[in-house]
This record gives sequence, structure tokens and C-alpha cells, in this order.
Amino acid sequence: LAKTTQPISMDSYEGQEVNITCSHNNIATNDYITWYQQFPSQGPRFIIQGYKTKVTNEVASLFIPADRKSSTLSLPRVSLSDTAVYYCLVGPPYNQGGKLIFGQGTELSVKP
Amino acid sequence: DAGVTQSPTHLIKTRGQQVTLRCSPKSGHDTVSWYQQALGQGPQFIFQYYEEEERQRGNFPDRFSGHQFPNYSSELNVNALLLGDSALYLCASSLRGGIFYGYTFGSGTRLTVV
Repeated sequence: LAKTTQPISMDSYEGQEVNITCSHNNIATNDYITWYQQFPSQGPRFIIQGYKTKVTNEVASLFIPADRKSSTLSLPRVSLSDTAVYYCLVGPPYNQGGKLIFGQGTELSVKP
Repeated sequence: DAGVTQSPTHLIKTRGQQVTLRCSPKSGHDTVSWYQQALGQGPQFIFQYYEEEERQRGNFPDRFSGHQFPNYSSELNVNALLLGDSALYLCASSLRGGIFYGYTFGSGTRLTVV
């Protein structure tokens, strides 16, 4: 399974746009890229998933370049409640029972 | 709509004891996976159950075992507890073959082994 590399921590201020980049140089052809958010003492929460180009939902955008060796999670106008750990995962389609391989994640701290 | 329910929320056990953790998946989901999350680390995959059978297993010893019931709920059993088993145990459910909206995680069981 592809290994991911992302920054250990990031700081931001309320109202700013935050971009978290993830490297996955060994991504396989059938791998998808998925991002999860986790608050302390809670389980991870699915944010967004994509295969190529750009995906957007009500929470975030995911940008994937043509070579798919990296991806960027974009959080528009963050608030204090966006302070959490963000995980980037790659793997085969999860609706076929694929297991999730988590790294250490990026701890995002949003300040007032 | 009830999400994933885990019980108990907290548990303290002594080394060498056995523990059983329980999980009820989100309504409509048929697949349950268990994860162990040590402090400051990402969740680590333990195993996955589908149609009452273990389908995949992570790098965990045989002391970790599980079960899935006909109503899709699941149990995680850990025998001969070690101090290193202290962690947050997370259950995640999904629908195999359906449109993927992400695994749904419960809030976990915090196990402390003393």
C-alpha cells in the first residue's frame, strides 16, 4: 500500500485558507486519495475522496495533479473548530472492503 | 440516524486479564473494522469483518480476536492484556459494494491496562 508523507503540524488563523499537502509517490493506478479529520477522543471523520483533478464538497476541496504523486487538501476560511488532526490516506476503492492505512497526520492549530 | 455506537467508553483492566469491546455499526452498514490508536499516533488496522467472517487482518497477534453477529454488530476480544495494549480502540463501519461515503467511525473505547 502507498505510503503518505504530510507535515506533522501547521498553524493558521481564523478566516484564512489552509492547504495541507500530502506526498504519495508510490500511489497505484487503482488507488484513491482520502482525507479524514479527527478531534481529540473521537473517531476520524471522512472529509473528502478523489482520484484525479479536483473534487469539492461543502467542507473542503481536494486538488490532485496529473501525476497523482501528491494531493492538497484545501480548507476555506478556517475557524477555531477546525483545529484537529488531518490524515491523508491512499488505497484501493474502500467500498470493496479496503482497509485504511493511517500515517501520523497533520495537526492543524487554528488561532483567533 | 444513529452512527456507530461503541461500548464501554472507558475501561481499566489489569495485566493478564481479558477484555471484550462492542460495536454497533451505522444503520445500513454491513462491514465492521477495528482500529487501535495509541496516544499521538494514527489508528492502526486490526481486522475487518464482513458476513460474520474475518476478511482482513493487520499486524496484530492472535491475542486479538473478534466476532460479527447476524445483526452486523461486532466484538473485539483481547486476551492476556499487556501494558502496551492501552489505547483508544475504534470501530468503523461501511457498506460493502455501495456508493462510498467514507467509513463511519465510533468515538472509541479508551482502554487502560495497569
